[in-house]
Amino acid sequence: DTGVTQSPTHLIKTRGQQVTLRCSPISGHKSVSWYQQVLGQGPQFIFQYYEKEERGRGNFPDRFSARQFPNYSSELNVNALLLGDSALYLCASSLVGNSNQPQHFGDGTRLSIL
Amino acid sequence: QKEVEQNSGPLSVPEGAIASLNCTYSDRVSQSFFWYRQYSGKSPELIMSIYSNGDKEDGRFTAQLNKASQYVSLLIRDSQPSDSATYLCAVNSYNFNKFYFGSGTKLNVKP
Repeated sequence: DTGVTQSPTHLIKTRGQQVTLRCSPISGHKSVSWYQQVLGQGPQFIFQYYEKEERGRGNFPDRFSARQFPNYSSELNVNALLLGDSALYLCASSLVGNSNQPQHFGDGTRLSIL
Repeated sequence: QKEVEQNSGPLSVPEGAIASLNCTYSDRVSQSFFWYRQYSGKSPELIMSIYSNGDKEDGRFTAQLNKASQYVSLLIRDSQPSDSATYLCAVNSYNFNKFYFGSGTKLNVKP
């Protein structure tokens, strides 16, 4: 089975630009969550989507937004990029939302802001 | 107070020893608990999940949960150099809509 796939793997942007990151969940998984991980820290929860609806949101500014498509894939958008947005962005999928199912991670997108 | 707390380490153990990793959480009504392993430059990989008080064993790994003390631990028996990684504790919020991770404990297994 194919795992969680994310694209692109690496991205370099400058301050003020906008970025879109993409994620395809494990086949059969309907819930997608996004995380930001800076060096030396654990992943920080950004969003959870299930059945195309936002089901959870972490403490991130409105510059961060996401959506989920009918095929359960998802995009994370970040506007007005700041230097502090440089991080590894991780997507995780689980069978359903609102459950105690474990989450399985993709390889991430490493975003660098210059 | 952080939702999930872990000692950052590094925790150094000799090959073949037992490594003990600990985690505390703040939300008393949390329902599910997970341990992930993350190698440098890689994404987190699920090792174990635990939902009920007590021990759960899977091969060389044992997860222990004590909800009264809001404490989760992971024991790695017969530690191998390939176990050297950062171990992340994750807790699902009471409404299952958020996953909280600790900052991780770095484990070094010395040959």
